[in-house]
Amino acid sequence: AQKVTQAQTEISVVEKEDVTLDCVYETRDTTYYLFWYKQPPSGELVFLIRRNSFDEQNEISGRYSWNFQKSTSSFNFTITASQVVDSAVYFCALSAGLNQAGTALIFGKGTTLSVSS
Amino acid sequence: EAQVTQNPRYLITVTGKKLTVTCSQNMNHEYMSWYRQDPGLGLRQIYYSMNVEVTDKGDVPEGYKVSRKEKRNFPLILESPSPNQTSLYFCASSAGEQETQYFGPGTRLLVL
Repeated sequence: AQKVTQAQTEISVVEKEDVTLDCVYETRDTTYYLFWYKQPPSGELVFLIRRNSFDEQNEISGRYSWNFQKSTSSFNFTITASQVVDSAVYFCALSAGLNQAGTALIFGKGTTLSVSS
Repeated sequence: EAQVTQNPRYLITVTGKKLTVTCSQNMNHEYMSWYRQDPGLGLRQIYYSMNVEVTDKGDVPEGYKVSRKEKRNFPLILESPSPNQTSLYFCASSAGEQETQYFGPGTRLLVL
C-alpha cells in the first residue's frame, strides 16, 4: 500500500528562520514520483516540485530546497530565510504503481506553516 | 494561459437537490481527476478519467458521478447531495497518470 506521512501538523517560525518540512513515504514500487504542493490561505493548490525515484539529487530553487533520500524513504522540504508569504499548508504527495491503471496521487495530511514577522 | 477552471467556486445547496460542478482544462491533458479535501483527512480522490469515455472510481466515489464526453471537460455530478458531502472540491489534470497534476481553484460546497 502507498502512504505518505507528514508528522508535523503545524509549525510556527519567525521570519528569516529556516524551516524543514518532513515527508516520509511508503511504497513497494521501484518507480514512483514524489511531489510537493503549497496551499496558501486563498485555497488553491500550487505545484512546487516533482521528483522521480531514480533521481536522488537534491534540488534548490531560490529559497526552497528538497532533500530526497531513498534509504530513509524521505523527501524533505526546506525553506531558507522564511517569509510571511510562505505561510501556507504544504502537502507532500506520492504517485506510484506505474503499471497499474488509475493510480491516484496519494497526499499526506499536510503541514501548516505559520511565519510571523 | 494554461489552466484548469472550475465552476461554481462557491455553492450552498440543500439535501437532495442535484448539482453539477464543471471542470475544464485547456492543456489537452488526457488524465483528469476529482479530489475532495476535508480537515484532518487531506485530499482524497473521488473519480478519475484516463481519456474520453474512460472513467473509474477513486478512493471515495460514493454519492458522486462523472462523465468524460470531451477531452477538456470532466464534470462532477452529485445526484442527491447530503451534508457529508460538504467539502472543498478540486479538479486536476495532467498529461498522464504519473505526470504533474495541475489543480483548479477549488469549489467550496455546503450542503444543508
